[in-house]
Amino acid sequence: AQRVTQPEKLLSVFKGAPVELKCNYSYSGSPELFWYVQYSRQRLQLLLRHISRESIKGFTADLNKGETSFHLKKPFAQEEDSAMYYCALDMNYGGSQGNLIFGKGTKLSVKP
Amino acid sequence: NAGVTQTPKFHILKIGQSMTLQCTQDMNHNYMYWYRQDPGMGLKLIYYSVGAGITDKGEVPNGYNVSRSTTEDFPLRLELAAPSQTSVYFCATDFSHFGNQPQHFGDGTRLSIL
Repeated sequence: AQRVTQPEKLLSVFKGAPVELKCNYSYSGSPELFWYVQYSRQRLQLLLRHISRESIKGFTADLNKGETSFHLKKPFAQEEDSAMYYCALDMNYGGSQGNLIFGKGTKLSVKP
Repeated sequence: NAGVTQTPKFHILKIGQSMTLQCTQDMNHNYMYWYRQDPGMGLKLIYYSVGAGITDKGEVPNGYNVSRSTTEDFPLRLELAAPSQTSVYFCATDFSHFGNQPQHFGDGTRLSIL
């Protein structure tokens, strides 16, 4: 079955430390993966997507098909990065249905 | 542009009552989605629509109904509210599933059923 696993409910780091939010997926097809972020009192919003290979707010994520992972990384965490982060798998990329499978989320807390 | 607007933001409903959660968008997006998010869980798809007049079930459709009479509006109806439907409900849209556009989310509706 298709599944997205974020093993850490809470990740706490100090400002300036590197951060890695883990995401593993289970999907037999060609995956399309996203990271969404929800800051306090704000709506869920796209942070970055696999296909774009972009760096947003210093975050990057590389798709590792061998390890079925899409970990989110940032070399130097900032306090404003504190938020809930959700990894999501698009099961029907290029198809006619919309179906994102979300992980349970990781709460990142960056301490001063 | 407002983007995706959900109303109400909060509501308390009694068991057995009915209610419609509203979602409207001004981006002319074809695809619209309803998710629910239970505490400590990820979002689960309830229903989605690929355009006006077309809707389909997602992962957890039981107890809900939707309609899509216009591009802008995608209301979610709870007919006989049950405590298990206490959740935060999110509406989302995207322009087209082809081309891998990101989904745009509303602020959510926090619904409690007592």
